[in-house]
Amino acid sequence: GQSLEQPSEVTAVEGAIVQINCTYQTSGFYGLSWYQQHDGGAPTFLSYNALDGLEETGRFSSFLSRSDSYGYLLLQELQMKDSASYFCAVRLRPGRRALTFGSGTRLQVQP
Amino acid sequence: DAGVTQSPTHLIKTRGQHVTLRCSPISGHKSVSWYQQVLGQGPQFIFQYYEKEERGRGNFPDRFSARQFPNYSSELNVNALLLGDSALYLCASSYLQGDLNTEAFFGQGTRLTVV
Repeated sequence: GQSLEQPSEVTAVEGAIVQINCTYQTSGFYGLSWYQQHDGGAPTFLSYNALDGLEETGRFSSFLSRSDSYGYLLLQELQMKDSASYFCAVRLRPGRRALTFGSGTRLQVQP
Repeated sequence: DAGVTQSPTHLIKTRGQHVTLRCSPISGHKSVSWYQQVLGQGPQFIFQYYEKEERGRGNFPDRFSARQFPNYSSELNVNALLLGDSALYLCASSYLQGDLNTEAFFGQGTRLTVV
């Protein structure tokens, strides 16, 4: 089967940096994506890593190590609005087009 | 630009009934996927349609079915509803199937409650 492991909850203060880890065990791998979901809202795409290394998009960065089956999402200069659930998701290959999601990490940003 | 739209936003059904959920993808997107999200969990893949053909199916019983129309909108049907079908049903659209950028755009979902 497929499994993605993330911490269930993380708490941090405004202005801080937080890292959300994701380890995966899947039968195929075609990249790691990160999505943000506020309560009652739709998941929104944050970043995607197909190759090893760091991808930076504003305050958010994502890292992938395929040899370690590991990735993380780094959020800098945390703001209250960053309080949400964060999901890592893997697209399997070959032929599987669906995203396989982890159970999500609930981030609470405190003042 | 309109994003992915889903209807209805909320729905209450009784056990044994059937339900039809609808999704309109972003204009120009030909791929639509359906996900089920139980409270506290990540979305689980149900179906993907591309150019009106089923291209993928998750581990869901045959009570779940879907189709895509010529205008690329899609319907998800669930028969013989069970209490465990209560969840948020999400529709996602993307421009190309299997492109390197795996970005999927999600709708706000339909909250289904089975009583």
